[in-house]
Amino acid sequence: GESVGLHLPTLSVQEGDNSIINCAYSNSASDYFIWYKQESGKGPQFIIDIRSNMDKRQGQRVTVLLNKTVKHLSLQIAATQPGDSAVYFCAENYVNSGYALNFGKGTSLLVTP
Amino acid sequence: DGGITQSPKYLFRKEGQNVTLSCEQNLNHDAMYWYRQDPGQGLRLIYYSQIVNDFQKGDIAEGYSVSREKKESFPLTVTSAQKNPTAFYLCASTPASFGGYTFGSGTRLTVV
Repeated sequence: GESVGLHLPTLSVQEGDNSIINCAYSNSASDYFIWYKQESGKGPQFIIDIRSNMDKRQGQRVTVLLNKTVKHLSLQIAATQPGDSAVYFCAENYVNSGYALNFGKGTSLLVTP
Repeated sequence: DGGITQSPKYLFRKEGQNVTLSCEQNLNHDAMYWYRQDPGQGLRLIYYSQIVNDFQKGDIAEGYSVSREKKESFPLTVTSAQKNPTAFYLCASTPASFGGYTFGSGTRLTVV
């Protein structure tokens, strides 16, 4: 049978469209959240972060939205490009564990021409 | 250029052997971390160290050991007690804040 965790959720979008990647986090006490992009065989690359005292933060072509009521985080990518194809992870801080991060399982974004 | 260096990039180990993965940073970061990544999954925390000569277990520390004798170095030993060691291992560091979190390029360990 299929093993849980071996198949990432996949989002397929056309080049030029906007992408929205969603993430549910686990700890209501977390106060820092971060999005990473990971290409195959490489380490994660920082995209954008947000603290719990904010509900929206914008970067270059990216926006992160935080809904603490339902413990939900989203990453919006504007005008998605083929170079955006990668796996995207959200992470939250471990409470009382220094600056260690607790990662979600990831979403694979595929941008088609 | 400042950064984190992990070596080797690929590592093969026979069952029953211990193996040590290297992680060196020249960013003057206080905290360092080891994460494990399995195919199709996120990163899981193995160990972390906030200062020299001190480290704490993460979620999956069993079968692993670390040391932090120097600020720049945080080697990870995968012992024979780790039952399923084949994975992609990532090292990271931060200054004393969340900003500036930097990852190495990873070591892919395969047990043969």
